[in-house]
Amino acid sequence: DTGVSQNPRHKITKRGQNVTFRCDPISEHNRLYWYRQTLGQGPEFLTYFQNEAQLEKSRLLSDRFSAERPKGSFSTLEIQRTEQGDSAMYLCASSPGTMESDTQYFGPGTRLTVL
Amino acid sequence: GNSVTQMEGPVTLSEEAFLTINCTYTATGYPSLFWYVQYPGEGLQLLLKATKADDKGSNKGFEATYRKETTSFHLEKGSVQVSDSAVYFCALSDLGRFQKLVFGTGTRLLVSP
Repeated sequence: DTGVSQNPRHKITKRGQNVTFRCDPISEHNRLYWYRQTLGQGPEFLTYFQNEAQLEKSRLLSDRFSAERPKGSFSTLEIQRTEQGDSAMYLCASSPGTMESDTQYFGPGTRLTVL
Repeated sequence: GNSVTQMEGPVTLSEEAFLTINCTYTATGYPSLFWYVQYPGEGLQLLLKATKADDKGSNKGFEATYRKETTSFHLEKGSVQVSDSAVYFCALSDLGRFQKLVFGTGTRLLVSP
């Protein structure tokens, strides 16, 4: 069990550029979540995957955001035409999704700074 | 909707002092409750959890009891160490199909020698 990994750890971009983040969940975890955390706040839910299916999206996820999880393994989160308000820590979490455990395990996050 | 309220920080304590961080929640039904900890420069780590009323979660000397009657899940530790300095988040697991987490705003703990 190598834990949840995220890449890159830091991303600095200019307003209007597109960025893509990657999350590799714990192997055999079929549930994958994306959250966003701004300074001084708790994480807020963005979207959820059960295997390769995206089953829920938050209202926070505008049309500029898209997430995928091809083949039910790693996931990507893309932000198009970034805005300064997108600056935040983007967290990925995975869960076994079994009756015995609903615990979510978090990656280290990707910190996005939009200039 | 579901929500979590935590006491505001920072909480500043001397080493070996007793710690309480208050957490109350609003939810329909009986969600699972969690405490996560975020050390400086690191990601969120699960500290402890409780899945039903009167359950006590414990780990690394920290404890929290699921109180249905007061809708609370207060975090306690009898003797804090400098290494406990971190931000602590209380969270509940949405009872919907997707069990997304709803977090409080976090409480920063600063422990001095």
